[in-house]
Amino acid sequence: DSGVTQTPKHLITATGQRVTLRCSPRSGDLSVYWYQQSLDQGLQFLIQYYNGEERAKGNILERFSAQQFPDLHSELNLSSLELGDSALYFCASSPGGGPGSPLHFGNGTRLTVT
Amino acid sequence: GQQLNQSPQSMFIQEGEDVSMNCTSSSIFNTWLWYKQDPGEGPVLLIALYKAGELTSNGRLTAQFGITRKDSFLNISASIPSDVGIYFCAGPVIGGSQGNLIFGKGTKLSVKP
Repeated sequence: DSGVTQTPKHLITATGQRVTLRCSPRSGDLSVYWYQQSLDQGLQFLIQYYNGEERAKGNILERFSAQQFPDLHSELNLSSLELGDSALYFCASSPGGGPGSPLHFGNGTRLTVT
Repeated sequence: GQQLNQSPQSMFIQEGEDVSMNCTSSSIFNTWLWYKQDPGEGPVLLIALYKAGELTSNGRLTAQFGITRKDSFLNISASIPSDVGIYFCAGPVIGGSQGNLIFGKGTKLSVKP
């Protein structure tokens, strides 16, 4: 058990809808990262938050947004969903964001857009 | 942009055999990470390498940070059924935070008892 909790485990929704994925980092970890895993693109970094503030952005679509709350949990919001958004979405956390900070991944949310 | 190429894509081996897989890039990496992903779970960090030429072991796993800083190798000795899974190499994006990682496409390992 990595200590990173993601909910829900599975999500099935229709095109055009909006969903929210939730992540609770390991106790004491200040950084939260969101990754998308799809069959064709593999694991891709989306966005990082550190202690409530956005720290780094990767290949995140404008339809997607995230935030980290004062209690350090994070939410990833996906809107105007398309079939191609179907993927596994992972949250990871680390104590900081600097060198030597290994990432601990949750077990993911599997999103299916129909 | 930075890319990581893993080979082989998949391996079918007999229990007890040794396994070798590698990861190469046209770009230099300052850190190499090896993760394993089991079905239905998130990637788990196996080994982290921080220095060119470094050789690090974790039980039956040994990984090396290539001298050129453009490649890394992972070896598994005396494989067992629970070694089954997908092995990913990863490294931080140049100029990005340490958690902004690029992942290879993975090596899928199957072990026949």
